[in-house]
Amino acid sequence: GAGVSQSPSNKVTEKGKDVELRCDPISGHTALYWYRQSLGQGLEFLIYFQGNSAPDKSGLPSDRFSAERTGGSVSTLTIQRTQQEDSAVYLCASSLLPGQGLLPYEQYFGPGTRLTVT
Amino acid sequence: GIQVEQSPPDLILQEGANSTLRCNFSDSVNNLQWFHQNPWGQLINLFYIPSGTKQNGRLSATTVATERYSLLYISSSQTTDSGVYFCAVEAGANSKLTFGKGITLSVRP
Repeated sequence: GAGVSQSPSNKVTEKGKDVELRCDPISGHTALYWYRQSLGQGLEFLIYFQGNSAPDKSGLPSDRFSAERTGGSVSTLTIQRTQQEDSAVYLCASSLLPGQGLLPYEQYFGPGTRLTVT
Repeated sequence: GIQVEQSPPDLILQEGANSTLRCNFSDSVNNLQWFHQNPWGQLINLFYIPSGTKQNGRLSATTVATERYSLLYISSSQTTDSGVYFCAVEAGANSKLTFGKGITLSVRP
């Protein structure tokens, strides 16, 4: 079946502009995660949506970052007033909801969105 | 939070050689995954292995949860094995993955 998809694949924006990044999870996966990968920080967790529960936002680096998940499927990560330090590859992952049944809930990653803030 | 250390940081192999990549973690884990990041940046799932041993072709992995480490074995390496290998763990009730810094593998023809 189809994997996790993300759009756009590349985004160049000017400092101070807002950007929206989109993630389509694997069909049937109720858990969705955002991570980012940058040279200085490696791969770091941003936010986690688990079914209908409140999201875990503990990894968001500032209040300029927000995310929503509509209808339990597609998610959008929004960065307001972008800064140069926001330049990174933003990765989305999805999995089955942990704790449900005996199925492993390994996370599967999309190809990422490369964000460059000039 | 949990710490994940991978070693060695860089590895250069001649095609056909075998290698062992190591992942140490500082606390008990619910989930451990190995990924290969290809040159285009895509993270490819290799193993979901919170404990025990698994094999998939030329690759195998072992996690000894009680001693807090995991090993990834690559046998008869090929140039297409080149890339960065990440170990990632999930600890406690939070399902986020914490990644190691990765191991950069270069396989020379």
